[in-house]
Formats: sequence, structure tokens, C-alpha cells
Amino acid sequence: KAGVTQTPRYLIKTRGQQVTLSCSPISGHRSVSWYQQTPGQGLQFLFEYFSETQRNKGNFPGRFSGRQFSNSRSEMNVSTLELGDSALYLCASSGSTSTDTQYFGPGTRLTVL
Amino acid sequence: AQSVTQLDSQVPVFEEAPVELRCNYSSSVSVYLFWYVQYPNQGLQLLLKYLSGSTLVKGINGFEAEFNKSQTSFHLRKPSVHISDTAEYFCAVSDGLRGGSQGNLIFGKGTKLSVKP
Repeated sequence: KAGVTQTPRYLIKTRGQQVTLSCSPISGHRSVSWYQQTPGQGLQFLFEYFSETQRNKGNFPGRFSGRQFSNSRSEMNVSTLELGDSALYLCASSGSTSTDTQYFGPGTRLTVL
Repeated sequence: AQSVTQLDSQVPVFEEAPVELRCNYSSSVSVYLFWYVQYPNQGLQLLLKYLSGSTLVKGINGFEAEFNKSQTSFHLRKPSVHISDTAEYFCAVSDGLRGGSQGNLIFGKGTKLSVKP
């Protein structure tokens, strides 16, 4: 089975722009979660989607949004980029229940200049 | 709210020595616990998880962890480390109650394990 894939792997943007990151989960997985990883704040939960509905949300401003498609692929969008948005964005997929393991993708490295 | 504390930000150790990476979490009625490893420029890989049952959990690559409810700890151990174990290790917790998923993992700040020859 193919693992979680994320595109693009690297991205450079300037302040004020917007960006869209993509995540393709493992086949059959319906839950997709997004995390932000920075040296200062560590790993922080952004949101989770399940069957095209946002099921959980972390404590991030409304500039961060996401969606999930019927094939479980997910995108996250960050509008009006700030320097502090520079981070590794990780996507994880899992099955439907609380005992299913989350599998992480390699991440997208976003640099905001 | 749940929180996770990894007591050591860096742990240097010599090859073939034992190692323990410490993790404490805030208490909750029901909690699931995890250890993940991250190699440079890669995502997270699950080492092991505690959901219920036996408090001693065995994972991949010879790692194990013990769930201690009274001390709210979930320390990771390996009896003999290799150079290839050099990586960053993250402890995480989920209350497993949010919409029936683990999709809201709370992570510790990470411990960088450096194995020296």
C-alpha cells in the first residue's frame, strides 16, 4: 500500500500571499489530520477531516482552513501569509475509529519571506 | 486540556548503552499514549502505542514503553541503542473521545537522541 503523500514537498512564498497544500491519504483511510511543526511551538494540531466534514479543530486563526474531497484527499489553505507561518506542515491519515493508527506523510516545508 | 511534558530536550548516549526517554502527561479519564520518531527531513513514524490492557508496550526497532497511571508517565526505553537510532522522539496523547478518532494528538516538545560511537 502506498503511504501518505503530500505535495509539494517544498514551497517558498512571500508575506501576504496565500498557499494551498495537498495530502493524499492511504487508500481506504477516511480521516485526515493536519499538524504544524515549528522549532518554537513544536507540533500543533490544526484540524481533522472525516468523510468531508471537519471533525476537530485546533487553536489557529481563521486564515488556516481546509477541506476534504469525496476521495478523502485533503487540502489546507493559508491566506495572507505571515513570516510566522513558516513551518513543516504534516498530514496524517487513519481509519475510522479511535484505535486506528495515524500514519504521517513526509510533510510540506513552507518558507515565508 | 491535555498536555505532554518531555523532560529532556536532548539525550546523548553511547552506542550499545541503554536509554530512557521520559514523558509525563496530564491526567484524564481516558487517554491513549503514543511514541513517534522523526528522522531528519522526514515525517513521523509510530514506534508504539498504548490504548488499553498490558501496561508494558513493545514497539518496533526494539523499543518499549511502560504506562504508569499513578505517575501519569509513559517512558520509552531501549536496552541497547544503535547509531541509527539517532533521531527526534515525540510523546503524544489523545483522549480518544473526540468524534471517535485520534485526530487530535497533543505532542510533547520532543527529545533529540544522539547516539555516539
